[in-house]
Amino acid sequence: NAGVTQTPKFQVLKTGQSMTLQCAQDMNHNSMYWYRQDPGMGLRLIYYSASEGTTDKGEVPNGYNVSRLNKREFSLRLESAAPSQTSVYFCASRRLARELFFGEGSRLTVL
Amino acid sequence: EDQVTQSPEALRLQEGESSSLNCSYTVSGLRGLFWYRQDPGKGPEFLFTLYSAGEEKEKERLKATLTKKESFLHITAPKPEDSATYLCAVLGPRQGNLIFGKGTKLSVKP
Repeated sequence: NAGVTQTPKFQVLKTGQSMTLQCAQDMNHNSMYWYRQDPGMGLRLIYYSASEGTTDKGEVPNGYNVSRLNKREFSLRLESAAPSQTSVYFCASRRLARELFFGEGSRLTVL
Repeated sequence: EDQVTQSPEALRLQEGESSSLNCSYTVSGLRGLFWYRQDPGKGPEFLFTLYSAGEEKEKERLKATLTKKESFLHITAPKPEDSATYLCAVLGPRQGNLIFGKGTKLSVKP
């Protein structure tokens, strides 16, 4: 079972460049999430989608946009990357109020 | 404000030396407390969900317990392969997501 798949796994950007992180889940989950993880800060929620067609801001949404393309896919876009967005990004999904299932992460460096 | 605090930040044990990790939380109307394990370079891996005070769950050398203010992850006779960062998270009634603690990094030396 693939679970939650994220692409790309690694990316290096220059300040001001844009990119999209892709996420897909094959567990028929309604809710999907994007977190970032930084040393000493823990996991912080960027955006989430409780169901297909809805998205909501999390704790740290500035500088990001999301699209819930369909039930399986949830993408995260950086329109103009900044060094402060250097981080490890995790996509996750879950069914109702149950546990989250995470992808393997996307490691982004902004120079 | 909903909050999750994990302690200690780091814990070093000898193989076979049992210990506990703590997760204290403040949330009104807890709907679930979750424990995850995270290995370096990997995504968090689900371990347990606890829903009410007094509940306990076990998996191999790990046992999670829950009170009204905190949860403990007890590790009995740990092995080097138990080395990882352990994350705690809570789900409250108004949250659309889990609130995570910063984790405890466990190192088990042979």
